[in-house]
Amino acid sequence: GENVEQHPSTLSVQEGDSAVIKCTYSDSASNYFPWYKQELGKGPQLIIDIRSNVGEKKDQRIAVTLNKTAKHFSLHITETQPEDSAVYFCAASYYNDMRFGAGTRLTVKP
Amino acid sequence: DSGVTQTPKHLITATGQRVTLRCSPRSGDLSVYWYQQSLDQGLQFLIQYYNGEERAKGNILERFSAQQFPDLHSELNLSSLELGDSALYFCASSEGQGSSYSPLHFGNGTRLTVT
Repeated sequence: GENVEQHPSTLSVQEGDSAVIKCTYSDSASNYFPWYKQELGKGPQLIIDIRSNVGEKKDQRIAVTLNKTAKHFSLHITETQPEDSAVYFCAASYYNDMRFGAGTRLTVKP
Repeated sequence: DSGVTQTPKHLITATGQRVTLRCSPRSGDLSVYWYQQSLDQGLQFLIQYYNGEERAKGNILERFSAQQFPDLHSELNLSSLELGDSALYFCASSEGQGSSYSPLHFGNGTRLTVT
């Protein structure tokens, strides 16, 4: 089955700096890669996703890149703000099977 | 608001007891997923239903069971509870049978505490 590894487990940045979270997956059949943000006391919320036929996608301060050959994908957050502080999960999916990374706790210091 | 409703928000019970967690998916979504999140842990997939039928099974204990009803709401039943079952239980829903390009939409979870 699919195995998703996520790094780092914790990340602390200064407000205004960029943050990068990296994930690798094992199953080359995976074709959909969403990213979720989980704030305290809430369920994970989809923030951006990318399909396997796309190399990069951007939405305002958030971007995701995908390298299918290397089987890794990354989340980039620019101009970080305190409200970006949360746990971020990457996931890799193929039809019925969506597997999540272990999560990255991002802290943005004002 | 994701549109996925989970009840109750909190549940405190004793070891050996049985509880039922309820989930109403987003309007129009046919698939329901259950995940377990222990303290500071990731999301462990338990089970998926599509339009009333079981479609995929993850690391779900035999003491746990689930079902999806004709109105598409789902229930997760946890029995013979142990201290280690204390966790956040999330329900998620998606449009289609699979999660090919369909994101999951999560509820805010049920926090289960077993004492």
